[in-house]
Amino acid sequence: AQSVTQLGSHVSVSEGALVLLRCNYSSSVPPYLFWYVQYPNQGLQLLLKYTSAATLVKGINGFEAEFKKSETSFHLTKPSAHMSDAAEYFCAVSSGGSNYKLTFGKGTLLTVNP
Amino acid sequence: DAGVIQSPRHEVTEMGQEVTLRCKPISGHDYLFWYRQTMMRGLELLIYFNNNVPIDDSGMPEDRFSAKMPNASFSTLKIQPSEPRDSAVYFCASRPGLGIPNTDTQYFGPGTRLTVL
Repeated sequence: AQSVTQLGSHVSVSEGALVLLRCNYSSSVPPYLFWYVQYPNQGLQLLLKYTSAATLVKGINGFEAEFKKSETSFHLTKPSAHMSDAAEYFCAVSSGGSNYKLTFGKGTLLTVNP
Repeated sequence: DAGVIQSPRHEVTEMGQEVTLRCKPISGHDYLFWYRQTMMRGLELLIYFNNNVPIDDSGMPEDRFSAKMPNASFSTLKIQPSEPRDSAVYFCASRPGLGIPNTDTQYFGPGTRLTVL
């Protein structure tokens, strides 16, 4: 079984500040990990993914995430927030291989203040 | 590619009516997924298909829900009869087959917002 916990359902930052969205996972096998972003009234868009290669993963729009096995974490960061980053962010885990069923976290709503 | 296409984008219906949601996956993708998103339960996988065959429908909430994939370019999710608690956003996603680049990535459609009165 696998699960994802996103700490903080709502994160608020100022424009230009560091963005840190937390994700912890549970998986009985080496996981594949994903971050998706959902803008209002839109579908989910892949930001980045970890699939057992480099532990520091760079994604679109300046986001990156680091896989830390010892902490079972995959936190999402961005050095400087833009107003356009305001959206809901979802962390997801799969067991990889031929089984790519995704289990999603509850999501974190990011607000960026001017 | 146009991406995953879903229709309608919004559906308002009355309790007891039949509702059919439609999805066209990205051409060439072998896997298709149906999800439901609610405030209370977040994103839940309902069912997924591989090469038009249902593989896992353990997430389908009740017999009122059914899904079909008659061919590689079309899938439907049907609710009959609909109930107010079915109100949610329903997403369709597709994924390339094994051995294809980005086979591990699901691509989502824009969703159908269903309201059952």
